[in-house]
Amino acid sequence: DAKTTQPPSMDCAEGRAANLPCNHSTISGNEYVYWYRQIHSQGPQYIIHGLKNNETNEMASLIITEDRKSSTLILPHATLRDTAVYYCIVSDWDNYGQNFVFGPGTRLSVLP
Amino acid sequence: EPEVTQTPSHQVTQMGQEVILHCVPISNHLYFYWYRQILGQKVEFLVSFYNNEISEKSEIFDDQFSVERPDGSNFTLKIRSTKLEDSAMYFCASKRAGTEAFFGQGTRLTVV
Repeated sequence: DAKTTQPPSMDCAEGRAANLPCNHSTISGNEYVYWYRQIHSQGPQYIIHGLKNNETNEMASLIITEDRKSSTLILPHATLRDTAVYYCIVSDWDNYGQNFVFGPGTRLSVLP
Repeated sequence: EPEVTQTPSHQVTQMGQEVILHCVPISNHLYFYWYRQILGQKVEFLVSFYNNEISEKSEIFDDQFSVERPDGSNFTLKIRSTKLEDSAMYFCASKRAGTEAFFGQGTRLTVV
């Protein structure tokens, strides 16, 4: 089972920031927080990951709380093309793909 | 940008037939995975592969399934005798040690 809890759905106005929360209260010290998204039935697309520091890349920012029990993915200026299911996953995977568990995710709808 | 390539994009097969799904991982990646997603359901782990052998497999990955890396570039998933319930999107993924995984666009398998 997934070790994360996410809201099942969220709406965001186009051009506004989308803030997607994730709870992972049982995360262990060597586990990273990964965010992926899936548009329709396409392959999951990597967005960002982090261990304990906040991270930013060209797609998004990841804010991880100091106790690492929750995180927030921020899409700074959401567009219609950001409509997708967003998955928050905690894992220390290399060999352990079985530990990379997709939950139901958050279905983000970006509205015009 | 390098990507994981899967072929075919859609495969229709008759129940009981063997099917092979093909994946070309990113060239310097060493860890390989297959996942599947039944329509409307979560992405599920099937198997991980490293150093020319299976590292882990899920309960779904029974004796009807096998994986192979026949020539150092391809990574295949074979289903020996397909069942109706094998109908799903199958995703291949690859990664280097300690990094994120990249997923292919998937093969839609339809068993009739």
